[in-house]
Formats: sequence, structure tokens, C-alpha cells
Amino acid sequence: GIQVEQSPPDLILQEGANSTLRCNFSDSVNNLQWFHQNPWGQLINLFYIPSGTKQNGRLSATTVATERYSLLYISSSQTTDSGVYFCAVGSEGAQKLVFGQGTRLTINP
Amino acid sequence: DGGITQSPKYLFRKEGQNVTLSCEQNLNHDAMYWYRQDPGQGLRLIYYSQIVNDFQKGDIAEGYSVSREKKESFPLTVTSAQKNPTAFYLCASSIGLLNEQFFGPGTRLTVL
Repeated sequence: GIQVEQSPPDLILQEGANSTLRCNFSDSVNNLQWFHQNPWGQLINLFYIPSGTKQNGRLSATTVATERYSLLYISSSQTTDSGVYFCAVGSEGAQKLVFGQGTRLTINP
Repeated sequence: DGGITQSPKYLFRKEGQNVTLSCEQNLNHDAMYWYRQDPGQGLRLIYYSQIVNDFQKGDIAEGYSVSREKKESFPLTVTSAQKNPTAFYLCASSIGLLNEQFFGPGTRLTVL
């Protein structure tokens, strides 16, 4: 089945810094989602982005499907951005999402 | 408010007991899913349902059972056959399979 790798596994930054999270996948996809898991465990949808670029406030994402990767950018980080960020992909012909192991982001004041 | 609700938020059970986790959605979504998350890990798919009265095993279905008698509801039963049931359980739904999935708040199950 499709493999999903996220990097880095951990990222510690000061408030105000910018960050880039990466998601590599091993096969063609027709679904790619980025989630933020808050400290209470809730998964918050950030982007549904099987291809192209999207922006939402300080967050943006780009998926280059032909090269099998997606990037999540967070600008001017705030302490509330802390948590775990997951990438999940669905490959053509499969009927499920496969999750990466996540990137744990810590923003210090 | 449209959304997905899961209950209870926390659940404690003795070893050997079956327990049922509730998942309800009012988004009019056809597809529903159950995932398990262990500490420090990503999510793994237990069962999914594309439509009422139909469901399929995911990657880790052993020791679990589901039903889908209503479009809005997809309960998960953790049976005594599940060897290590203590985990965080998340329910999700989408308009159809591989459309954008939305998640409920989760249930933390602890087996004593």
C-alpha cells in the first residue's frame, strides 16, 4: 500500500518564526488532507489539497502530485499553533486514507 | 450545529467486557469511519462504511465490530477479543469515500 512520510518528526520554534512541514508519499493520490491535532486530541481540518496551492490566513499548503510531496507552511507562528500536524493521503483505487506519523510542533513564547 | 459527536468522552472498562462507542453525524454524509490512535502514533483505520447497511474492514479490524443501520449513526463495539483496547478512538465522516473527511472529538478508552 501507499507509504506516507512526514518530516521533521519534531520542530521547536520561537513565537513569530516561520515553519515548513513536509509530507512525502509513494504513489499517485486523489486525496490529501492536512490536519492539526490539538492538545485535547481533536483533529482540525486545515486543507484538502490533492494538488495545487491553497492559503488560509497564516497557513498555506502546496501539493506537487507529480513529485509526490506536499508542504504545509505556517508563518508568524503563535503558541496556539503548537500540536501535532498530520498528513493523510488516499491513493487511486484505495478506499481509505493513510496517515503519516505526524510532526510535533512546539512554539515557545 | 452540523457536526460529528462521539460519546462518551472518557470510558473505563474492566478487562473481558465488551464496550460500545457512539458516533453520530448530522452532516448528511454517506461515508463513516472509525480510527484508532495510540500514543505518539498516527491514525489507523478499523472499519469504514460507504453507505447504510454496508461496512468494510480496515487495517486493524480484529477484535472490533460495527453496524450501520442508520445514515447518521456508526457505533463501534470493542470486544473482549481485542488484545490491547486501551487507545484513543476517532470517528470521521465524508460525503463519499475519499472525499474530505471530518472528525469527531474522540473517545479515550481505558481498560483496567
